[in-house]
Amino acid sequence: AQTVTQSQPEMSVQEAETVTLSCTYDTSESDYYLFWYKQPPSRQMILVIRQEAYKQQNATENRFSVNFQKAAKSFSLKISDSQLGDAAMYFCAFTPVFQGAQKLVFGQGTRLTINP
Amino acid sequence: DVKVTQSSRYLVKRTGEKVFLECVQDMDHENMFWYRQDPGLGLRLIYFSYDVKMKEKGDIPEGYSVSREKKERFSLILESASTNQTSMYLCASSSPPGNQPQHFGDGTRLSIL
Repeated sequence: AQTVTQSQPEMSVQEAETVTLSCTYDTSESDYYLFWYKQPPSRQMILVIRQEAYKQQNATENRFSVNFQKAAKSFSLKISDSQLGDAAMYFCAFTPVFQGAQKLVFGQGTRLTINP
Repeated sequence: DVKVTQSSRYLVKRTGEKVFLECVQDMDHENMFWYRQDPGLGLRLIYFSYDVKMKEKGDIPEGYSVSREKKERFSLILESASTNQTSMYLCASSSPPGNQPQHFGDGTRLSIL
């Protein structure tokens, strides 16, 4: 069975600083997708960034980037120039490629606080 | 803009009641999902559907059932509600392939008394 572990229940960072959220996963699959989702307080969960396992290049989306280490089964999220609007629960998620409908396995979540 | 709508934001029911949670998406997505979200446990998949009238068990299906009679609508049913089903329930939808994002509703906070 696949598992996703986020070892940091809570993190905080000063506005404009950089923060890294950790995620590790366990799978015997060789091809899969990884995601980071953001859930702001009382708002909808939205996709932040995604990574295909077959791609060696780390994904980036503006101030968000990942450090994907396939051998170590690690998928961390780096947020640069943190803004107050980045405060949210962040979830790491995994899905194998060939499994019919996309069946996500989520981590426990990390609550990120931005200090002004 | 994409939209997943859950019928209730907050719901309070009694133990033993049959409870229906409704979800509608307007994106013509093939896949729909029901999760429950609990502190410290993240999101756990209850059921999902990849086509009309098709359903698959997720990781925690016990005590739940689902219905998908139309492509845009996916219902979660608690046959006989129990207090341990008090939780936040999230509906999501997506299209293939698997690297496409899931789009989530606002969630229903369900309390079983």
